Amino acid sequence: AQSVTQLDSHVSVSEGTPVLLRCNYSSSYSPSLFWYVQHPNKGLQLLLKYTSAATLVKGINGFEAEFKKSETSFHLTKPSAHMSDAAEYFCVVSDRASGTYKYIFGTGTRLKVLA
Amino acid sequence: EAGVTQSPTHLIKTRGQQATLRCSPISGHTSVYWYQQALGLGLQFLLWYDEGEERNRGNFPPRFSGRQFPNYSSELNVNALELEDSALYLCASRGDPLYEQYFGPGTRLTVT
Repeated sequence: AQSVTQLDSHVSVSEGTPVLLRCNYSSSYSPSLFWYVQHPNKGLQLLLKYTSAATLVKGINGFEAEFKKSETSFHLTKPSAHMSDAAEYFCVVSDRASGTYKYIFGTGTRLKVLA
Repeated sequence: EAGVTQSPTHLIKTRGQQATLRCSPISGHTSVYWYQQALGLGLQFLLWYDEGEERNRGNFPPRFSGRQFPNYSSELNVNALELEDSALYLCASRGDPLYEQYFGPGTRLTVT
């Protein structure tokens, strides 16, 4: 069975400081992992994806995430926060090998960026 | 390349009525997923259509239904609307051999 846990429901950082959004997952098969961002009243935008290639994944807007199988983690980071990063972020897991294309969403982390 | 589109943007209905939401996937994508995002409840999976067939269904009552057309666009129907159906309904598409989903902007359904 798959599951995903976003460890923080809210994160506040100052503009220009690093961002860390934490995600742990559970999967019976080889997982695909994704991070999405959602601005208020908008759809979800794909930030980055891991699908078994390089474990350090670079995404859009300076975000990156590292797949750590031993820790079952896929934390999202950014070296320097920008005001425009304030949004809700979702970690998503999907089992590739099972072929079911079922996606499990985390409960989201709301990022606040302080001026 | 055009993204996933959804219509209408906003929909206001009264309790007991029916609502129809529409989604057009990215060109070439054959899978369409529907999600409900109600306040405080996160994203809840509703339905998955692929190649015109319903492949999976979330834990929602039968009054939530849909279909996928030959051009891969999709329709979500909600019958006998209840106040708690008020939510943002998101559609996503996926195309083989990709694993990621691409989301539309959503339809905000308000039931009064």
